[in-house]
Amino acid sequence: DSGVTQTPKHLITATGQRVTLRCSPRSGDLSVYWYQQSLDQGLQFLIQYYNGEERAKGNILERFSAQQFPDLHSELNLSSLELGDSALYFCASSARTGSGYTFGSGTRLTVV
Amino acid sequence: QKEVEQDPGPLSVPEGAIVSLNCTYSNSAFQYFMWYRQYSRKGPELLMYTYSSGNKEDGRFTAQVDKSSKYISLFIRDSQPSDSATYLCAMSEPQDNAGNMLTFGGGTRLMVKP
Repeated sequence: DSGVTQTPKHLITATGQRVTLRCSPRSGDLSVYWYQQSLDQGLQFLIQYYNGEERAKGNILERFSAQQFPDLHSELNLSSLELGDSALYFCASSARTGSGYTFGSGTRLTVV
Repeated sequence: QKEVEQDPGPLSVPEGAIVSLNCTYSNSAFQYFMWYRQYSRKGPELLMYTYSSGNKEDGRFTAQVDKSSKYISLFIRDSQPSDSATYLCAMSEPQDNAGNMLTFGGGTRLMVKP
């Protein structure tokens, strides 16, 4: 157990639907990162939150949004889902500089 | 051209061999370098974390960073079948207490045969 908890582990949904992925960071970690991993694209950075504030954005689609709550857990919302959104979605957290980044076990999203 | 290049493999070696995994990168601003191990359908697991150039050793693992050549390596000594996984290099620009995004290589798939 890495200390980063992601739910659900698996999600199957239809095109056009909306889903919410949840992440609880390691205790004490203030930064949360979301990554998408697909077979042809590898691990792609989506968005980072630090202590409730959006810190950095990567190649995140406008159909995707995220937030970090006061208790530091984060949610990634994916809407108007397309077949191409099928992927593994990972959350990672980090403490201060020099501590590395710890990943959760991911949510496998399948859009049918 | 990708910012971080990594040979996808697969790399197949016999048990007990020394494994060398490598990444090259183009962004000279990268200062933090990491290696992750990912088993199939699992989350990446941090193996090594280094800052700037130099070597770092942890058990059977040695990480090397050569910033002048924009080249990093991970060596695995006495490789075991349990080392069979995908190895991902990752790097980031300077960090403050909020951290910074990681840029990953595509991963090298390693197979260690008994």
